[in-house]
This record gives sequence, structure tokens and C-alpha cells, in this order.
Amino acid sequence: DSGVTQTPKHLITATGQRVTLRCSPRSGDLSVYWYQQSLDQGLQFLIQYYNGEERAKGNILERFSAQQFPDLHSELNLSSLELGDSALYFCASSLTGAGRGAEAFFGQGTRLTVV
Amino acid sequence: GQNIDQPTEMTATEGAIVQINCTYQTSGFNGLFWYQQHAGEAPTFLSYNVLDGLEEKGRFSSFLSRSKGYSYLLLKELQMKDSASYLCASDQTGTASKLTFGTGTRLQVTL
Repeated sequence: DSGVTQTPKHLITATGQRVTLRCSPRSGDLSVYWYQQSLDQGLQFLIQYYNGEERAKGNILERFSAQQFPDLHSELNLSSLELGDSALYFCASSLTGAGRGAEAFFGQGTRLTVV
Repeated sequence: GQNIDQPTEMTATEGAIVQINCTYQTSGFNGLFWYQQHAGEAPTFLSYNVLDGLEEKGRFSSFLSRSKGYSYLLLKELQMKDSASYLCASDQTGTASKLTFGTGTRLQVTL
């Protein structure tokens, strides 16, 4: 158990809908990362937050947004869903935002299926 | 920009040694991570190299050459449970760290 909690574990929804994925980081970790992993693909970095502020942005679609709340949990919002958005979405957390302390611990992921 | 390359698949025999290579081109490179990911599961941390050289941790060792933009993960005394994907990821300097991952190397350990 990495200490990172993601909910829900599975989500099935229709095209055009909107969903919210939730992540609780490890206790004490200030940085949260979101990754997308499609079938047989590598981890694609979406966005990073550090202590409530956006720190880095990857290939995140405009239909996707995220935020980190004062209690450090984070939510990833996916809207106008398309079939191609079906993937595993991982959240990871780390103590700091860079360097050795940036060893990231991953949650078990949310498997999103868009039908 | 950042670019990370790894072989897509490798096969090795139980009890053998396998080396998984990773080349990277990362601006503001700070260090390199290796993660293990079993199918459908979360990646788990294996190693982190900042300085050139070999770091050994049990059956797993990781090597880094900053000048060559090259790293490898060495797995000894392979076990069936080592069948997994191995992801290398670069870490950048600065206040943000976004751990850019390669697509991973799928290792199949056979009898």
C-alpha cells in the first residue's frame, strides 16, 4: 500500500459525460501528479500540483482540468468524454516538487471506460 | 524538450541476468528513476540515480551515464515474479518535477 488513495477504482460512463476522479496523497506529501495510461501505452504526464498551486503541465487536453485543495487532496475533472479517453488514470504524490524528494508514490489508479 | 527511449519487449530465462537500457534527452536533467509496473497495477519505485555509476540494491542495480544520456537496469537471478513492465523516468531540475516516463519495457521471464 503506497498510501495514495484514488477513488473510484472503476468508472464506466457514456460519451459526452463529465466525471471527477479523486486522489488523496500520502500523509505529508505536498506534490500531486496525474498521469494517463492507455492500453499498452506508457504513462503520459498530465499535470502537477504543489501545495495547492499548479506547477507543471503536460499534454493535458482543454477538456480536462484539475485542482488541489487546501487539505492537499486533488481532483481531476474530465468533460465531454470521448471513447479515446478510456484509460487508467494514476495519481502520484511526493514530498517535494523536485529532486530526490520527488520519488513518487502511485495510487492504484482509476480505470475509466467510456462507452 | 524531453525524449526517453526503451526497448518495447524483452524475454529472459528464470535465473538469468537481463539488462534493460534507457536513453534520454532531457533539458535540465536532474536524475533518472526506474519503476516496476505489473499489468493493471500501480508503478512502484525501484531506484533513482543522480550521479554517474552503478547503484546496487539486492537483485536489482541501476546505472547512469549523464554524459551519454544513458541508463540501464540490471536484474539478476530472475524470478517469474519479475515479469512486468519496467519504466524509466527522467526528473528535471527546478521547482517543478514532472517525472517524464518512457513507454516502458515489457519483460517476460520464462522457465
